[in-house]
This record gives sequence, structure tokens and C-alpha cells, in this order.
Amino acid sequence: GAGVSQSPSNKVTEKGKDVELRCDPISGHTALYWYRQSLGQGLEFLIYFQGNSAPDKSGLPSDRFSAERTGGSVSTLTIQRTQQEDSAVYLCASSPDRALGYTFGSGTRLTVV
Amino acid sequence: DAKTTQPNSMESNEEEPVHLPCNHSTISGTDYIHWYRQLPSQGPEYVIHGLTSNVNNRMASLAIAEDRKSSTLILHRATLRDAAVYYCILGAGGTSYGKLTFGQGTILTVHP
Repeated sequence: GAGVSQSPSNKVTEKGKDVELRCDPISGHTALYWYRQSLGQGLEFLIYFQGNSAPDKSGLPSDRFSAERTGGSVSTLTIQRTQQEDSAVYLCASSPDRALGYTFGSGTRLTVV
Repeated sequence: DAKTTQPNSMESNEEEPVHLPCNHSTISGTDYIHWYRQLPSQGPEYVIHGLTSNVNNRMASLAIAEDRKSSTLILHRATLRDAAVYYCILGAGGTSYGKLTFGQGTILTVHP
């Protein structure tokens, strides 16, 4: 596709349930990020994948959060036992090279009720 | 992570130039200076980035101070569609390049 695609665009889940958020980066982009943005707040880094290197997981807020990137392309962010404070917009971005700009998707709005 | 300091908000009139400042006094030699903007209800959009020399593209210009401790994003003719939050970010260079740490940004209001 022409841009970074994220699905679903909106997700409402009950507290305690697990959720999976998907990101399809631009084809050929080796770098992929996950961020989240709570209402009225700035972006919070979660995790970074670069090619075949070990991901930078330093931003994951707890062990309930995990992410995978299969085949260097599609990435899935999983949140287990969701809590209300997990409610936010989860944004994915990709880049063809670490020296170039990043293209962000439109995000997944997660609401935990 | 090296931090940036931006004004919380700025205002401009349509079709006038806008200079958005950013201070990054603790920048390291390998840090790139990135600018992104975020329109309401959208994901961030890449604007421009540079290392040492001034940079121009179709969206904006980036002026980098000689000591690299500050930079200015220049929108040459502001339009109403430029109203957004503008983020100045340092991206670590070298082998650790990648993670961009977003601050609070500058809210730009453009008046017709």
C-alpha cells in the first residue's frame, strides 16, 4: 500500500481482556516503531524494530505489553489483561532507512471499559 | 536521551512566514534534528530533518545553528492547514539511531 496501515482503527475492550493491534508498514521499510498517545498528551515510545537486530523494548510500560515483527514486515502489538490506563491511540511508524523520515499510520484508538 | 525545549504555543497570520524555535543544548555529535507535525486527530507527519547544514524541502526549511545547540523550522508562507502541533526531536545517530523521543511540541495557530 501507499502508506502505513493499522488495524483496527478503533477497538473497545473490557478490562482484563487481551487485545492485538496490527501494523502493516510500507513495503521495504526496515525500521518500525510503536508509540502510544494518551488524550491530550505527547507521544510515548514503546518499541523499535530495525531489520534483523534485536528490538529496542525499553519503552514497553509493563510485561503485559509485547510486540512481534514477522518476516521483517507486519508487526503485532499485544496487550494482555488490559487496564483502563491502557486506553490511548497506538501509532505505528516505518522508515526505509534510519537516516530518513518516518511515516506514521493513522493509529488504533483503544478504549478499555 | 538529549532533550529539546520548544515554546508551548505560537500564533501566525495566514501567508506570513513562521519561525518555530527549538533549543537542544545537550545535543551530541551524532544526533539528527527532526521535525514532525501532528494535525488534529491524525498521526504525526514528517516535516524535515538535518544534521549540520541547513535543509530545504517542499514543506519547510530547517536552519541549524553553527554550534547545533538550537534550530529553527521555517514555514515560508503559513496556511490554515499548517495549524498543528510541531515537534522538534533529536534522533540518536550512529548504530543506535532510531528512537525518536517526542516532547510536548509547539501548538501553532494560524489566523486567517
